[in-house]
Amino acid sequence: GAVVSQHPSWVICKSGTSVKIECRSLDFQATTMFWYRQFPKQSLMLMATSNEGSKATYEQGVEKDKFLINHASLTLSTLTVTSAHPEDSSFYICSARILRGELFFGEGSRLTVL
Amino acid sequence: RKEVEQDPGPFNVPEGATVAFNCTYSNSASQSFFWYRQDCRKEPKLLMSVYSSGNEDGRFTAQLNRASQYISLLIRDSKLSDSATYLCVVLSKSPASGTYKYIFGTGTRLKVLA
Repeated sequence: GAVVSQHPSWVICKSGTSVKIECRSLDFQATTMFWYRQFPKQSLMLMATSNEGSKATYEQGVEKDKFLINHASLTLSTLTVTSAHPEDSSFYICSARILRGELFFGEGSRLTVL
Repeated sequence: RKEVEQDPGPFNVPEGATVAFNCTYSNSASQSFFWYRQDCRKEPKLLMSVYSSGNEDGRFTAQLNRASQYISLLIRDSKLSDSATYLCVVLSKSPASGTYKYIFGTGTRLKVLA
């Protein structure tokens, strides 16, 4: 299947710092990527839809100034968690859609904010 | 009512058993349907798309019932390695915005016991 790579897998940071997570489609071009977060034993929650060359579309309740999304190329989207706080600690996952409509997910990034 | 509903389980079954999961969806205009598998602390991985005529991949069979608005996943001859959470994903058109979105079920936990 299609390959989506996410980096870093793990990140620990101090409260108040910013963290950038990268999501790459390795063998296909993705005009749209999706960012999710998942808390333990809960379902994935869509945060935003990342659109290549235009602004991301955020879900209700997600702060666009806190979770900055940039989709500068057809193979790369980044999520920056700005001024991170302990409550931002979570599992962040990206996905991209192939032409058939199936979603492929990155490996996820586990963020711990101290 | 949730847009996509699954029994959270857990389903505890012995090795070799046959187990079936159902997933109901509320939007009759839903377009595409998928089953994903998610292991603990990992990203979801595509198990199979679900086609109108039903489809099979080895020990796994997926069915779609548009009239009753549900999809099913049947696992035959369960293996220990099948233990995971199975996510139902539906691509639906939002009545409000007119855009298509992937809606995730909360997942059904399966534990295959030796």
